[in-house]
Amino acid sequence: GAVVSQHPSRVICKSGTSVKIECRSLDFQATTMFWYRQFPKKSLMLMATSNEGSKATYEQGVEKDKFLINHASLTLSTLTVTSAHPEDSSFYICSAATRSGANVLTFGAGSRLTVL
Amino acid sequence: AQSVSQHNHHVILSEAASLELGCNYSYGGTVNLFWYVQYPGQHLQLLLKYFSGDPLVKGIKGFEAEFIKSKFSFNLRKPSVQWSDTAEYFCAVKSSASKIIFGSGTRLSIRP
Repeated sequence: GAVVSQHPSRVICKSGTSVKIECRSLDFQATTMFWYRQFPKKSLMLMATSNEGSKATYEQGVEKDKFLINHASLTLSTLTVTSAHPEDSSFYICSAATRSGANVLTFGAGSRLTVL
Repeated sequence: AQSVSQHNHHVILSEAASLELGCNYSYGGTVNLFWYVQYPGQHLQLLLKYFSGDPLVKGIKGFEAEFIKSKFSFNLRKPSVQWSDTAEYFCAVKSSASKIIFGSGTRLSIRP
């Protein structure tokens, strides 16, 4: 079945630094990838929709200059948290949809970001 | 804007009890509906989905859900739960805008 790999699974960084999270579709081409943020005991909040070869579409309230998304190929999307602050500490999850299964998402295992 | 409501935040059941988790959505157009499950320490997995046709859909591990359009609901059911069903369950809706919105999740705890 479809597999999405997310790396790193955990990252700790200092305030003010930038962190890049990678999301790869291992055995299928992902034309669309979605980035979610999961708060403790809360739902997944959709941050942005990433389409291969075009600019990401950000949800209302999500700073596009802070959360940079790049989807340069059909198997890789990256989320860069720029100038991270402690309030950016969270669990970030990517998911991917294929052309044929565009209504079904395959999720990565998530990345736990801790900003000191 | 579309939204998804899961009113049960935490459900505690004994093994062999029947389960029903509520899910209501707000969107007037055509929707695709999903239930995802997140077992402790694992990533989200698709449990079942509804696109069209028979409103009663069956998923993995004995779960089923019924789409009731008039009630904007897509409740998840299982006739007899097991300890291994302990997990977080998320209802999700995809509208024509092509983005999938999740409910706040329901934590299910099963007493052995």
